[in-house]
Amino acid sequence: EVQLLESGGGFIQSGGSLRLSCAASGFTFSNYAMSWVRQTPGKGLEWVSAISGSNSYTYYADSVKGRFTISRDNSKNTLYLQINSLRAEDTALYYCAKDLRSYGGHAFDIWGQGTMVTVSS
Amino acid sequence: EIVMTQSPATLSVSPGERVTLSCRASQSISSDLAWYQQKPGQAPRLLIYGVSTRATGIPASFSASGSETEFTLTISSLQSEDFAVYYCQQYKNWPLTFGGGTKVEIK
Repeated sequence: EVQLLESGGGFIQSGGSLRLSCAASGFTFSNYAMSWVRQTPGKGLEWVSAISGSNSYTYYADSVKGRFTISRDNSKNTLYLQINSLRAEDTALYYCAKDLRSYGGHAFDIWGQGTMVTVSS
Repeated sequence: EIVMTQSPATLSVSPGERVTLSCRASQSISSDLAWYQQKPGQAPRLLIYGVSTRATGIPASFSASGSETEFTLTISSLQSEDFAVYYCQQYKNWPLTFGGGTKVEIK
């Protein structure tokens, strides 16, 4: 079964750091780009960051550039998001999502259930 | 950044009815558009990509069309399990962007 399982969310003070993880199974992880997409409670979806399957390319939304770092370990089938300098507006449910392509920039056919990040000021 | 605008924000529909949702891009995105369905407490589910290609397991009751800046998602006969929020997403350019969603609720 194709599955994505996020972890690492929690309550964190403004200015703090957190590392989110996403464990993938059921598909050849290195063949596909991966993204993080977040959703504020009761609101819409915001794409955050993407990384190509080969680890060669990374992309970020302007709202997180310089504070978030996406990475992956293809030997462990795991995607990461290092979040630094957290702000109240980063409070959201963070999903990892599998891209339809290896180099990214497409639709997302598999989503995890999300991990909640709550930033307190 | 390409802004995606969905309308209406909420649609009240009776079961069995046909429903059409709209999505507009602030600039041409060719056919680089996807549609997702999200139910309460669940992750989004891919319905359509490439404007009109149904994802694996998506029933033929879902269809979509459009090009450049104007796109539509049609549900031919609304079933109880179709009441949800629907989002469009462009993948023409970085950053990838989503529309604000259309909630399809029971009338």
